[in-house]
Amino acid sequence: DQQVKQNSPSLSVQEGRISILNCDYTNSMFDYFLWYKKYPAEGPTFLISISSIKDKNEDGRFTVFLNKSAKHLSLHIVPSQPGDSAVYFCAADYSGTYKYIFGTGTRLKVLA
Amino acid sequence: DTEVTQTPKHLVMGMTNKKSLKCEQHMGHRAMYWYKQKAKKPPELMFVYSYEKLSINESVPSRFSPECPNSSLLNLHLHALQPEDSALYLCASSQVTGVNYNEQFFGPGTRLTVL
Repeated sequence: DQQVKQNSPSLSVQEGRISILNCDYTNSMFDYFLWYKKYPAEGPTFLISISSIKDKNEDGRFTVFLNKSAKHLSLHIVPSQPGDSAVYFCAADYSGTYKYIFGTGTRLKVLA
Repeated sequence: DTEVTQTPKHLVMGMTNKKSLKCEQHMGHRAMYWYKQKAKKPPELMFVYSYEKLSINESVPSRFSPECPNSSLLNLHLHALQPEDSALYLCASSQVTGVNYNEQFFGPGTRLTVL
């Protein structure tokens, strides 16, 4: 039972355009969400997070939106750059449990 | 220093071997984690240590034995592994309390192959 899902295994976007990566979850107990980026042969790198008390968080080119009623979050990257090409994982956490549940990942390819 | 280091980068072992994976961080984090990641799958949590004590074991087989000798080091001892245990093993660390305690910092992983 996959509690965190990323239904698009891959996404291609032109350089300079917006990349939108989506993530759905099933467990309403999750109260903290994170996005990680992973290059081949490297560990995941933290990008941005959002608490369930917010619906939006921005950090530079990255914005995460949370829709709790739909149990859906998205990551927007604007403008997309070739260096953003990587696998992106969303992750969800129960407060205080340290137990991340990762989504299945979306491979983003930004075309120059 | 915001880095989590893991050694070795690659490990090939037979099913009768005993080996250990090592992880180190100097960020003062008091929570440390082991994850297993198979190809094209998300990382799966194996163990969590909090203040050097094992707090979570996600029903991992006993052929994997974690150890946290101090607040900076985390080991994973391997014995009598099976070929299906071949995977990327990731270590991570985080704060235990504070605003950013949810954010885990990952090492580059050890690519393990069991023959």
